[in-house]
Order: sequence, then structure tokens, then C-alpha cells
Amino acid sequence: EAGVVQSPRYKIIEKKQPVAFWCNPISGHNTLYWYRQNLGQGPELLIRYENEEAVDDSQLPKDRFSAERLKGVDSTLKIQPAELGDSAVYLCASSYSGTVKNIQYFGAGTRLSVL
Amino acid sequence: DAKTTQPNSMESNEEEPVHLPCNHSTISGTDYIHWYRQLPSQGPEYVIHGLTSNVNNRMASLAIAEDRKSSTLILHRATLRDAAVYYCILRGFMDSNYQLIWGAGTKLIIKP
Repeated sequence: EAGVVQSPRYKIIEKKQPVAFWCNPISGHNTLYWYRQNLGQGPELLIRYENEEAVDDSQLPKDRFSAERLKGVDSTLKIQPAELGDSAVYLCASSYSGTVKNIQYFGAGTRLSVL
Repeated sequence: DAKTTQPNSMESNEEEPVHLPCNHSTISGTDYIHWYRQLPSQGPEYVIHGLTSNVNNRMASLAIAEDRKSSTLILHRATLRDAAVYYCILRGFMDSNYQLIWGAGTKLIIKP
């Protein structure tokens, strides 16, 4: 079974440029998460989807970040315009919320460098 | 939100048992204790979880204190591939959905 797939793995852009990250979750997982992970820290939740609905986006900087999850499957996270402080690893995770365990499965992440 | 406290780093020798501690003194009665680990350049992966009783699986064992204010992840025989950052996480119940409240993690160094 394929795991969570993210692309690209690495992205280098100049500040003020736009950037987008793509995530394909595990088939059948209704919950999708986007996290940001700064160097030496744990992941920080940006947004959580239940199917197509964003149920928690309280930590998403809405002035420059946006996300969508079309048809409740794939998801895209966008930053426009990027700032130097956005350099981090962006992780996508998925889970099936129908069980008590609700284990999250993570992709390998996209490492963003803003110059 | 309940938080966890872990040592920043630990070292262990290969093929020896490893005990990774976690303190969560403000844990609530409905919080599950989850452990994830993150290998270099990879996303986190689930290791084990528990509520009150000790738990075992093929990867590790989880020992939970009787008062639930601390827990210990046990790797019975560490290998070089176990070198990773280990996160002790409380899964809280918020708004009818479960959130993971991440700590800072322990970097486990395995010496050959």
C-alpha cells in the first residue's frame, strides 16, 4: 500500500515568490493534516481537513497561506508571497478518524528554502 | 493543553535496551499517550500508544506510571536504525476530534 506522497521534496525560491506543495494521502483516509516543522522542533499543525472541510485552520497564517482539498482526496498548500521565515519542512499527514487510534501517517515532507 | 517534557538527547549502545522517559504531569483522564519517531530526512512515524496499561508491539513497549504523570518508551534491543528523534505526544480530545499535542522530542543517538 502506498504511503502519503508529497511533492516536491525540495524547493528553493526567492522571497516574495509564490510556492505550492502537493499531497496525496493514503487511500481511504478521510482526515488530512498540513504541518510545518522548523529545525530542531516538533511539527506544528497548520490546518486539518475532514474530507473536504477545513475543520481547524486556526494556526494557518491566512494573509499569505491558503490550502484546498479537492474532492476530499489530494490537497495543495500555497504560500504567496513567501517570506524568509517560511523556510521550514512542510509535512502532510493523513489518518482515518473512524477508529479510536486515529494514527497519523506522514509523508516525507517538502523542505522549503526561501532566499 | 497538557504538555510533555522529554530530555533533549540520549545516547545508548547498539544492541542494548533503551528507556526514553516522558513527563506529562498535567495529563487529563481522556488523554492518550502516543509515541512517534522521526528518522533523518523523513516524516514522523507512529511507534506505540496507550491510555493506562502497559503496551507492547513489535517495535517497542510503553510503560505508563500508575498516576499517568509519566511514561517510558522501551526499545528492547536498539540498532543503528533506531537513531531518530522520539516524540512523546498527548492526544487530547478537542471539539469532537482528536488532536496531537507535540513535545520537543528526544534525539536518540546509538553508538556502534
